[in-house]
Amino acid sequence: DTGVSQNPRHKITKRGQNVTFRCDPISEHNRLYWYRQTLGQGPEFLTYFQNEAQLEKSRLLSDRFSAERPKGSFSTLEIQRTEQGDSAMYLCASSLVITGELFFGEGSRLTVL
Amino acid sequence: ELKVEQNPLFLSMQEGKNYTIYCNYSTTSDRLYWYRQDPGKSLESLFVLLSNGAVKQEGRLMASLDTKARLSTLHITAAVHDLSATYFCAVEEVRSGYALNFGKGTSLLVTP
Repeated sequence: DTGVSQNPRHKITKRGQNVTFRCDPISEHNRLYWYRQTLGQGPEFLTYFQNEAQLEKSRLLSDRFSAERPKGSFSTLEIQRTEQGDSAMYLCASSLVITGELFFGEGSRLTVL
Repeated sequence: ELKVEQNPLFLSMQEGKNYTIYCNYSTTSDRLYWYRQDPGKSLESLFVLLSNGAVKQEGRLMASLDTKARLSTLHITAAVHDLSATYFCAVEEVRSGYALNFGKGTSLLVTP
């Protein structure tokens, strides 16, 4: 399978705990994006990387959120001191700069109790 | 700020009928994308529209783009139950590295 891979697929945590999600993009794609989707809404942009550089962050990305993409390959999204409002599906997507079409992973669903 | 608006947000239609979903956006863009999402699943790319007047068709779905009107349509012909899903349009936002800005989605239910 050469698509975008995300794990874990589901995470249930208690408020105040830290969680980390991982995304492995399509190997030849140099852009990687993180989105958040809540029930009944479209995906909302959080941040993106071109190779290893994080080039843009949405104001939705509070200080408790941090994303990395070491060596321009896989990426991690960490949420510190989780809150109930963080409960959502976290989607990762990758693309080639030229085409712009985003290919999405299956997502990581976070439930904060 | 780029805004993307879809209508209707909910659509229930009978099998065999035709219908159109509309997507309006608020800023100049030459690229528009349509995605499909099944419940609990991720997004599947349907169409990539790259220029004014672009039209693409796949099966019972046809998408078009009018960049001057900032409008895209997704037309459904002779709907079947398998088309039941949520459909999103998305527009590139240059300032966010061409990240896609999504509408709220149109939840389509096709009934017998």
